[in-house]
Amino acid sequence: DGGITQSPKYLFRKEGQNVTLSCEQNLNHDAMYWYRQDPGQGLRLIYYSQIVNDFQKGDIAEGYSVSREKKESFPLTVTSAQKNPTAFYLCASSIVSGKHGYTFGSGTRLTVV
Amino acid sequence: KNQVEQSPQSLIILEGKNCTLQCNYTVSPFSNLRWYKQDTGRGPVSLTIMTFSENTKSNGRYTATLDADTKQSSLHITASQLSDSASYICVVITYGGATNKLIFGTGTLLAVQP
Repeated sequence: DGGITQSPKYLFRKEGQNVTLSCEQNLNHDAMYWYRQDPGQGLRLIYYSQIVNDFQKGDIAEGYSVSREKKESFPLTVTSAQKNPTAFYLCASSIVSGKHGYTFGSGTRLTVV
Repeated sequence: KNQVEQSPQSLIILEGKNCTLQCNYTVSPFSNLRWYKQDTGRGPVSLTIMTFSENTKSNGRYTATLDADTKQSSLHITASQLSDSASYICVVITYGGATNKLIFGTGTLLAVQP
């Protein structure tokens, strides 16, 4: 079955550490996105990529980094520069226009300990 | 400023009852509007997609309406089931230059009780 897979489901980070969240899709979608979800707030866009080896900052990119070396993969690194990283992170993909909808992964819950 | 507001913030209903969730938006230019269902600890799953010219769209027990003039949408759930307990998110798509941009509401948390 085609889908989008995020791992791990739960992740714990110590202060000052970088951590990387994985996102893989086999939907043959060109575009991939990372969102952050906090209680009481709508999803906010961190980074997006419409094509391999190219990505753009979203609304809250500070303290995050991404890469897009393969069409299927769009990992997100939460760096130590992100001061409040505890959140639920969602990866999504779509055809470039988004006309036929966006498919979301099941999310990674990151907690700073 | 592009905004999507949902009401109520939370709702409790008894199994078998109907309910209606509201979404008001101030997004321009408008491309389409989507309703998503998000179970706790999971990613959102699409329920309906509505374009400017569509007034009503159904997906099983879910019926979405769109009034583009008043910039309002509603999601009606008929004969609720325990499995309907989730957060329902209204998303408006706008054109953001090289790509579409999704504007998310904060969601309505629905609890269906037996």
